Amino acid sequence: DAKTTQPNSMESNEEEPVHLPCNHSTISGTDYIHWYRQLPSQGPEYVIHGLTSNVNNRMASLAIAEDRKSSTLILHRATLRDAAVYYCILRDSNYQLIWGAGTKLIIKP
Amino acid sequence: KAGVTQTPRYLIKTRGQQVTLSCSPISGHRSVSWYQQTPGQGLQFLFEYFSETQRNKGNFPGRFSGRQFSNSRSEMNVSTLELGDSALYLCASSFVGLQLTDTQYFGPGTRLTVL
Repeated sequence: DAKTTQPNSMESNEEEPVHLPCNHSTISGTDYIHWYRQLPSQGPEYVIHGLTSNVNNRMASLAIAEDRKSSTLILHRATLRDAAVYYCILRDSNYQLIWGAGTKLIIKP
Repeated sequence: KAGVTQTPRYLIKTRGQQVTLSCSPISGHRSVSWYQQTPGQGLQFLFEYFSETQRNKGNFPGRFSGRQFSNSRSEMNVSTLELGDSALYLCASSFVGLQLTDTQYFGPGTRLTVL
């Protein structure tokens, strides 16, 4: 199973951009990169996904390295409500989401 | 559109008992997946159902089982409960499931405590 590596935790100041890194050196050509986040006491929620090109949506941007061995989730202006555990996940050819430990994002007011 | 609902939200059982958890997916979604989340192991995939058939299964013992009904609602059952089964059980629904771009929508989970 393809795996991802993320820092255990990161801190950021409110209203500043946040860059959450993810390494996936064993990614295969057809694996999609998905990001989900889990707010306290809630189920995970979808953030964004991509294959090769950078992606943007209303929640975040996803920057994917040219060799696809790493990616970065960008929150352009973090708020206190963005404090959560962020999961970088690969969706493999078995269509399963292989979850890692995630990064706990702490937002300081 | 209503989100994924799970019942009950909290459950306390004793070792050896069995438990049934219920999940109602988003209307129109036909794929339902179940996950177990614990502090030590994180999120682990249990199984996935589509059109009343189990399509994928994770690495869990046979005490964990599930089913899906014709209206896409799903139940999971855990028999002969062990202390280690204490966890948050999450249900996720998606439109068809077997697409690499498919988005999963999660419910709030059922917190199971085994005493």
